[in-house]
Amino acid sequence: EVQLVESGGGLVQPGRSLRLACAASGFRFNDNVMHWVRQAPGKGLEWVSGISWNSESIAYADSVKGRFTISRDNGKNSLYLQMNSLRPEDTAFYYCAKDNGAVAGTYCDYWGQGTLVTVSS
Amino acid sequence: QLVLTQSPSASASLGASVKLTCTLSSGHSTFAIAWHQQQPEKGPRYLMKLNSDGSHSKGDGIPDRFSGSSSGAERYLTISSLQSEDEADYYCQTWGTGINWVFGGGTKLTVL
Repeated sequence: EVQLVESGGGLVQPGRSLRLACAASGFRFNDNVMHWVRQAPGKGLEWVSGISWNSESIAYADSVKGRFTISRDNGKNSLYLQMNSLRPEDTAFYYCAKDNGAVAGTYCDYWGQGTLVTVSS
Repeated sequence: QLVLTQSPSASASLGASVKLTCTLSSGHSTFAIAWHQQQPEKGPRYLMKLNSDGSHSKGDGIPDRFSGSSSGAERYLTISSLQSEDEADYYCQTWGTGINWVFGGGTKLTVL
């Protein structure tokens, strides 16, 4: 059974940093592109970032480019999101998501349960 | 620019059928999409991948009541024999070249 378990969310002040982690199991983690997707309270889904199986291809949404960094450790079956210079508009549930593809993005076939990040003073 | 457009809301009666629509932007009518369901206070759940020819492959445990079809730039999700637990937000998702994903704005389905 595929499982994606996020951790690291919480309350943080504007301008500070936070690191999210996603522990993956139930599939060959190094076979797939992985993504972070967020959802602000009462809003729709917003793609944040994606990373290929070998970390050679990485992409970010314009809203987080230059502030967030995605990474993965295939030996630990883990995905990460380093979030710096956080803003109140970054407040959202952050979901780890598995892509069906390995090198290029295709479709999401599994989701984590999400972790809440609240940016507020 | 690759954009997905969904109606903000839809409603149908318990036991009836409903057809939700996701429209691909001009020039992208051959793209495949995926449908996802998000029940209240829960994370999203993958329903199916839907190709431009209407063929689709569903996720684990998705009931036969859920089906997909396509016509031109439109991609449809049909839910038959509506149940109360089908009341949820439904999102379509697609992809272009590279790594990035694109989501539609979502349709909130109310079961009357």
